[in-house]
Amino acid sequence: EIVLTQSPGPLSLSPGERATLSCRASQIISNTNLAWHQQKPGQAPRLLIYGASSRATGIPDRFSGSGSGSDLTLIISRLEPEDSAVYYCQQYGRTPIIFGQGTRLEIK
Amino acid sequence: QVQLVESGGGVVQPGRSLRLSCAASGFTFSSYGMEWVRQAPGKGLEWVAAIWSDGSHESYEDSVKGRFTISRDNSKNTVYLQMNSLRAEDTAVYYCVRDGRAGLIDDWGRGTLVTVSS
Repeated sequence: EIVLTQSPGPLSLSPGERATLSCRASQIISNTNLAWHQQKPGQAPRLLIYGASSRATGIPDRFSGSGSGSDLTLIISRLEPEDSAVYYCQQYGRTPIIFGQGTRLEIK
Repeated sequence: QVQLVESGGGVVQPGRSLRLSCAASGFTFSSYGMEWVRQAPGKGLEWVAAIWSDGSHESYEDSVKGRFTISRDNSKNTVYLQMNSLRAEDTAVYYCVRDGRAGLIDDWGRGTLVTVSS
């Protein structure tokens, strides 16, 4: 079973800065079957990125995904206060579906 | 737009049962697999179960196998999660999610809280 490890730990950045979030898999993820979800406080998650680098509908281009194999990255450029959230990576393409433990991002 | 509305959560004693429902709208329900994902208080996301679009195949996370059953009624655009022999560790918000393809979660419901406590 794949294990997804996200880093860094809680992240605190200022508006306008860039955030780099990492998701490392214990095995190679085939066909870049990796997604990123954002969960704001008190809300359900929402899909940001799928296929490692494709933005979901309505997601601004400040959000970008990259990587392949077992190392994937979510970059959020020009941070805004509303980007404060927990970000989860998700492996799909086979069961069990696996989530990373999440990275908490605070915009101070 | 896609809407997924869960219901059926509540407080239940250990060992008892509960059935969650999820009413879907805004898309062709019978064309999509559906899943349940849960989140214990203050914790991360955990996939629970999935069912194919035609209901012919189900899969489960190991800790719920034999206790939970996912099902669907395509005539009612509804997916269910029957939860038996509930344990304290099943306490969580349960989200109904749409499987965009091959397990990609592309839409989330707002969730329903299940609390297992005596």
